[in-house]
Amino acid sequence: QSVVTQPPSASGTPGQTVTISCSGSSSNIGSNNVNWYQQLPGTAPRLLISANNQRPSGVPDRFTASKSGTSASLAISGLQSEDEAHYYCAAWEDRLNGWVFGGGTKLTVL
Amino acid sequence: QVQLVQSESELKKPGASVKISCKTSGYNFNTYAINWVRQAPGQGLEWMGWLNTNTGKPTYAQGFTGRFVFSFYSSASTAYLEIAGLKAEDTALYYCARNYGGGGFDYWGQGSLVTVSS
Repeated sequence: QSVVTQPPSASGTPGQTVTISCSGSSSNIGSNNVNWYQQLPGTAPRLLISANNQRPSGVPDRFTASKSGTSASLAISGLQSEDEAHYYCAAWEDRLNGWVFGGGTKLTVL
Repeated sequence: QVQLVQSESELKKPGASVKISCKTSGYNFNTYAINWVRQAPGQGLEWMGWLNTNTGKPTYAQGFTGRFVFSFYSSASTAYLEIAGLKAEDTALYYCARNYGGGGFDYWGQGSLVTVSS
């Protein structure tokens, strides 16, 4: 059971906007930055969003993220079939003095 | 360009040891930390800990103390993960990933599959 929770699944049709939530506590998301990772099938994870809402170079602007209090969310607009992947949020956990990942959300493009 | 290239998959018997390498290139090895992340079959990502490549100090997450050792060889820009006393539940993909300060893991290795089976 992760200290940071995500819905196990999400889905949408091409062109739609899908939002994935990430819920934590004051000792992780509430006091530290949130990063988001995308893991396409059979590949290594890729940094999608850093420091709550910063897109690394090469990440399309269809991917946006925000944080409020002890929760964060990732929004994917203009959904495309190639967005079908697992998405993970992560934050530093002060009580454990280490990184914690959410359990991951499998996004299906219908 | 920045690359982290890991060693190939390994098949080991219970009780054996394995040493996974993570060879980096394209950046100053001592400037970025190396993190290790485990992914069991069909499961999510689990942070194992990190290695300060400047001081050499390893930090292990809960559940990864005792049998797990992080090390590096600076002149080869390579980090290592060694697991002793392998158990079936150690079967997983192991990833190395770099980060700077408290930032996200911006580059990842391709993963090394360790299978533990008799």
